[in-house]
Amino acid sequence: KQEVTQIPAALSVPEGENLVLNCSFTDSAIYNLQWFRQDPGKGLTSLLLIQSSQREQTSGRLNASLDKSSGRSTLYIAASQPGDSATYLCAVTSSGTYKYIFGTGTRLKVLA
Amino acid sequence: DTAVSQTPKYLVTQMGNDKSIKCEQNLGHDTMYWYKQDSKKFLKIMFSYNNKELIINETVPNRFSPKSPDKAHLNLHINSLELGDSAVYFCASRDAGYGYTFGSGTRLTVV
Repeated sequence: KQEVTQIPAALSVPEGENLVLNCSFTDSAIYNLQWFRQDPGKGLTSLLLIQSSQREQTSGRLNASLDKSSGRSTLYIAASQPGDSATYLCAVTSSGTYKYIFGTGTRLKVLA
Repeated sequence: DTAVSQTPKYLVTQMGNDKSIKCEQNLGHDTMYWYKQDSKKFLKIMFSYNNKELIINETVPNRFSPKSPDKAHLNLHINSLELGDSAVYFCASRDAGYGYTFGSGTRLTVV
């Protein structure tokens, strides 16, 4: 049974810092992994999607890496801004299934 | 706008009532989902339909019944609402090889 864990659960950093959010999954037979952000009281916004054959994806100040063999993904945020404050969720689709299993989320606060 | 849209956005109702939440996607995706986000913000899958066929049915009380009249719509009907059903319900859609697109959520409060 796939389980997804995110560390840390909460993070507070000053503006301008580079930071790394971690996502671990127990079953390495995945189809893809997706990072989302969720603002308070809002829906989920897709950030990056990594297919199982890929090692990383980049979008602007965001870079997500995937290491299937170790069951890990990281989301790197460069030069953090107060507007980056949100909860970040990773979700994994195991091979042969249609469903995403979500991590527990990391609540990020970037201080001005 | 291409999107996944849910209605209503907010729903407050009394225990014992029956209510429905509607979801529509105009992305042409084959697969749609309902997820529940509890008070601890954990997202858990409830149901999934692929081309109007139920493919995922997690351990959900049978008071919850999804209905997919066509592949662009997936509605969620809840009978005999209970206090514990209070949560945010998210609809999502997905096309093979791509990621999920989520709706903005329906905040259900049972009083």
